[in-house]
Amino acid sequence: KQEVTQIPAALSVPEGENLVLNCSFTDSAIYNLQWFRQDPGKGLTSLLLIQSSQREQTSGRLNASLDKSSGRSTLYIAASQPGDSATYLCAGRISSGSARQLTFGSGTQLTVLP
Amino acid sequence: ETGVTQSPTHLIKTRGQQVTLRCSSQSGHNTVSWYQQALGQGPQFIFQYYREEENGRGNFPPRFSGLQFPNYSSELNVNALELDDSALYLCASSAGPEGETQYFGPGTRLLVL
Repeated sequence: KQEVTQIPAALSVPEGENLVLNCSFTDSAIYNLQWFRQDPGKGLTSLLLIQSSQREQTSGRLNASLDKSSGRSTLYIAASQPGDSATYLCAGRISSGSARQLTFGSGTQLTVLP
Repeated sequence: ETGVTQSPTHLIKTRGQQVTLRCSSQSGHNTVSWYQQALGQGPQFIFQYYREEENGRGNFPPRFSGLQFPNYSSELNVNALELDDSALYLCASSAGPEGETQYFGPGTRLLVL
């Protein structure tokens, strides 16, 4: 059974700082990994999707990496802004029957202080 | 292009009642997945519907059931509600069941008293 862990559960940084969020997974037979952002009481916004054949994906100030051998993914946020404050969730998908369900971590709650 | 929509946004029920939640998938998407998110936790996979058939199920009891319609919209039904069913219910649509990006709706907040 795939398990996904995110540490730390909460992180507070000053504006302008570069930061890294961590995600680890137990099953290296991962099909892809997706990073999401969730604002309080809201749904999930997809940030980046990394296929198992890829090492990283970039979108603006965000860069996500995937290392299947070590069971880790990181989300790098450059020049953080107060608007980046949210909970960040990673979710891995493995071949599970035909559904390829997303298995989520519990998230890292990020606060960027002005 | 319209995104994923869900209704209602909030709902209050009492234990033992039944509830139906609705989801309209994004245009061009044929797959809908449902997730339950308890407070402070990541979403947990309930089940997926692909072309009107259930296409995989997580560790949820049979009182959680669903439907998908020819227009690919979907319903989640929960019978015999329990207090622990209180959560944010999220649906996600995708262009297929096999690893495509899932796009989430805003969720339905269910409170069971």
